[in-house]
Amino acid sequence: GNSVTQMEGPVTLSEEAFLTINCTYTATGYPSLFWYVQYPGEGLQLLLKATKADDKGSNKGFEATYRKETTSFHLEKGSVQVSDSAVYFCALSPSFSGGYNKLIFGAGTRLAVHP
Amino acid sequence: ETGVTQTPRHLVMGMTNKKSLKCEQHLGHNAMYWYKQSAKKPLELMFVYSLEERVENNSVPSRFSPECPNSSHLFLHLHTLQPEDSALYLCASSQEGRTGGEKLFFGSGTQLSVL
Repeated sequence: GNSVTQMEGPVTLSEEAFLTINCTYTATGYPSLFWYVQYPGEGLQLLLKATKADDKGSNKGFEATYRKETTSFHLEKGSVQVSDSAVYFCALSPSFSGGYNKLIFGAGTRLAVHP
Repeated sequence: ETGVTQTPRHLVMGMTNKKSLKCEQHLGHNAMYWYKQSAKKPLELMFVYSLEERVENNSVPSRFSPECPNSSHLFLHLHTLQPEDSALYLCASSQEGRTGGEKLFFGSGTQLSVL
C-alpha cells in the first residue's frame, strides 16, 4: 500500500542553521509528493510539491527533490528563521485519485528554531 | 485566512453528549474532507465528499456521522464518543478534476476533548 515515513521530531535548531527533514515513501506507480506546514493554532498549508521524478519543489527558501531511485523527498532549507518554527508534513497523492485528492500524510515533524 | 472556516475552535464534551462540528468553505470547491490529527500519528483521512456525495469512508466508527448539505458546508456529528477520540479535527477542501491530486486548503481545526 501507500505510506509516508518522516523523521521523528522535535528538531531543534539555532537561527541560520541548515535544515533537513527526511521523508521516504512507499507507493505504486508515480505519485505526486508534497510538503505541508502547520503553524501554531492553524491548519495545514501547502509549502511545495513535485509531480514527477527529479522535479524540485521550492518555496520560501525551502526545497525538496523527488528522488524515485531512493523513494525520498527530503525537505531542506539553507538558513532557518524563528518564524519557520512549525510542524512539517510530508505527503503523497497516488497516481490516480479518482477525481478527488486522496493525500496520504506522514506523522509530521516539529521544528523549533531558537534565536 | 485560507477560505475554510471551522467552528467551534475548541470543544469539550462528555461521552454521552451529542455535538456537531461545522466547516464552511468560500472557495467554490467541489470536494470536502474530514481529517483527524492525533499526536505523533499520521493525519487520518476520515471522510471525503465529492460533488456533495460521500466517496470515501475510511472505516470510521458510526459514532462519527458526516453530513454535506451543499458544496460549501460540511458537518461532523458526534455522539457517545470515547476519550481516545480526543484530537484535532481538520476540514479541508479542493477543486478536483479528472485526475485528482490538487492542492488541499485546510481550516484551523476543532480541538476536541472527550471527558
